[in-house]
Amino acid sequence: DADVTQTPRNRITKTGKRIMLECSQTKGHDRMYWYRQDPGLGLRLIYYSFDVKDINKGEISDGYSVSRQAQAKFSLSLESAIPNQTALYFCATSDRDRGLETQYFGPGTRLLVL
Amino acid sequence: QQQVKQSPQSLIVQKGGISIINCAYENTAFDYFPWYQQFPGKGPALLIAIRPDVSEKKEGRFTISFNKSAKQFSLHIMDSQPGDSATYFCAARRISSGSARQLTFGSGTQLTVLP
Repeated sequence: DADVTQTPRNRITKTGKRIMLECSQTKGHDRMYWYRQDPGLGLRLIYYSFDVKDINKGEISDGYSVSRQAQAKFSLSLESAIPNQTALYFCATSDRDRGLETQYFGPGTRLLVL
Repeated sequence: QQQVKQSPQSLIVQKGGISIINCAYENTAFDYFPWYQQFPGKGPALLIAIRPDVSEKKEGRFTISFNKSAKQFSLHIMDSQPGDSATYFCAARRISSGSARQLTFGSGTQLTVLP
């Protein structure tokens, strides 16, 4: 079974709609991240959370919000989706302060905003 | 503003050849440089990583070369195989306020190894 799961895997929505992408992990990690991947731009950090009470903006947080419902769950919301939010979204986790920490990525959610 | 510049964007090599992907950075606060490998339909996964106090790290056919003075690092894949065909991302980690650790990724290189 996958340690980091994302739902849905694919989503088509219309401009102006609110949508939520969900991430769950069974790795027991404290740290969770949301990235988006665009061709030619690599992975860009949207938000990250180092524990349930800690939420931080990343490089490109405008138009997004997050909720850390529990240690294992981290959701990303698009309040009013727009076409340039069409992208591949990844959730990732890492362990607390383990030196050369590794980030573990989920399988991704492909989002299309029409 | 891209803090980690990666090249080339795409790379095609023959089976058995050497694949080389380069990255450059400006921020001297980076303290850890991982490479991630991503297969189609999957999330990225850590391949190999290096700290700036060493100039080279080798794991099997994969080697990172690090040039601290030039602020450049590269991934070498020896004896490239078709199964190595994937997208490769370099990254750099910086320690910001409150001991937060963030990874900044390069733009990615799509590697194709021809049989």
